[in-house]
Amino acid sequence: AQSVTQLDSQVPVFEEAPVELRCNYSSSVSVYLFWYVQYPNQGLQLLLKYLSGSTLVKGINGFEAEFNKSQTSFHLRKPSVHISDTAEYFCAVSDRYNFNKFYFGSGTKLNVKP
Amino acid sequence: NAGVTQTPKFRILKIGQSMTLQCAQDMNHNYMYWYRQDPGMGLKLIYYSVGAGITDKGEVPNGYNVSRSTTEDFPLRLELAAPSQTSVYFCASSYGRPGETQYFGPGTRLLVL
Repeated sequence: AQSVTQLDSQVPVFEEAPVELRCNYSSSVSVYLFWYVQYPNQGLQLLLKYLSGSTLVKGINGFEAEFNKSQTSFHLRKPSVHISDTAEYFCAVSDRYNFNKFYFGSGTKLNVKP
Repeated sequence: NAGVTQTPKFRILKIGQSMTLQCAQDMNHNYMYWYRQDPGMGLKLIYYSVGAGITDKGEVPNGYNVSRSTTEDFPLRLELAAPSQTSVYFCASSYGRPGETQYFGPGTRLLVL
């Protein structure tokens, strides 16, 4: 089975500062990687996903993530955060043989301070 | 397009009671999923369905049952509720193709006392 590790449970950052949310996964096969965002009392929304090709993936709201196969990582970055980015962020992985089964990390709470 | 809808939004159950969490989607997705989200634990897959009449277990199926009689609906049944089932439950759906995005409902918060 897959596993996903989000090392940081909480990340405090000041508005307009850059941020990186870390995600590592374990898999021996080709994977699909996703970042979802969850605003308070809402469901999850897709930020971006990596399927194949370019390892740098751009998503909504100015977020981007880089797939690093050798380090089995898929870190999420934003060069300048806004108060409205305060939310919980989940990394998820599926693979080409069990693509309907998603495995989620434990989440990282991003708290953007003014 | 309502997307994925879930009812109720919040429910309190007593130990041993039963209830059904409702989920519906209007995107004509074949695949539907039920997850539970516990604090600090991320989402765990309970059950999923690849089409009407076809369901299968996920990581944490014990204490739950599902059925899928139509493409649109995928209810989750809790029998004999236990405090360990206190959680937030999310329904999701997708077309079921490799790499396809899963679309989530707003969730049902369940408290078992």
